[in-house]
Amino acid sequence: DGGITQSPKYLFRKEGQNVTLSCEQNLNHDAMYWYRQDPGQGLRLIYYSQIVNDFQKGDIAEGYSVSREKKESFPLTVTSAQKNPTAFYLCASGRTGLNTEAFFGQGTRLTVV
Amino acid sequence: DQQVKQNSPSLSVQEGRISILNCDYTNSMFDYFLWYKKYPAEGPTFLISISSIKDKNEDGRFTVFLNKSAKHLSLHIVPSQPGDSAVYFCAASADSGGYQKVTFGIGTKLQVIP
Repeated sequence: DGGITQSPKYLFRKEGQNVTLSCEQNLNHDAMYWYRQDPGQGLRLIYYSQIVNDFQKGDIAEGYSVSREKKESFPLTVTSAQKNPTAFYLCASGRTGLNTEAFFGQGTRLTVV
Repeated sequence: DQQVKQNSPSLSVQEGRISILNCDYTNSMFDYFLWYKKYPAEGPTFLISISSIKDKNEDGRFTVFLNKSAKHLSLHIVPSQPGDSAVYFCAASADSGGYQKVTFGIGTKLQVIP
């Protein structure tokens, strides 16, 4: 069945290590997004991609990197440069264009110790 | 600067009654509004949306009202059910060079009491 899959659900890393969060979708969506959710805050956009091999910075891209080599996949790397990496990370996909909704994955809770 | 504000962090409603969740926005360029529902440790799911050319959109028990002059929208759930207990995010979007830039509120936690 169609959907968007994030793995793993929980992830622990030591400070100073890079970590990559996986996001795969089989909805044939061109657009994919990464958001971060912190307590008491709404979802904040990290990166987005509207087409394969192209991506743009969102509002809080510093310390993160992405790639979009395949339509189905949009992995997010949290680098050691990200000052507060512990958060709940959400991947989403959707149709390109305006007035569309996004479909979210289950999220990955990253804890950096 | 929060462009989408959900000023009530939580709301409790009796089962069968109406739940009203409110959202205010400041950016007049927003022209499409969405509500998402989120259960703990899960991703948000799309609930209902409304274009700025409308003032009401209804889908079953869910109705969204938009007051453009007041920059206010609300989500009505009638009748409320225990399964509606979740966090509800208001979101607003604007055209950013052909890309839909979406801004989310911080969410309102709804508890429906049986």
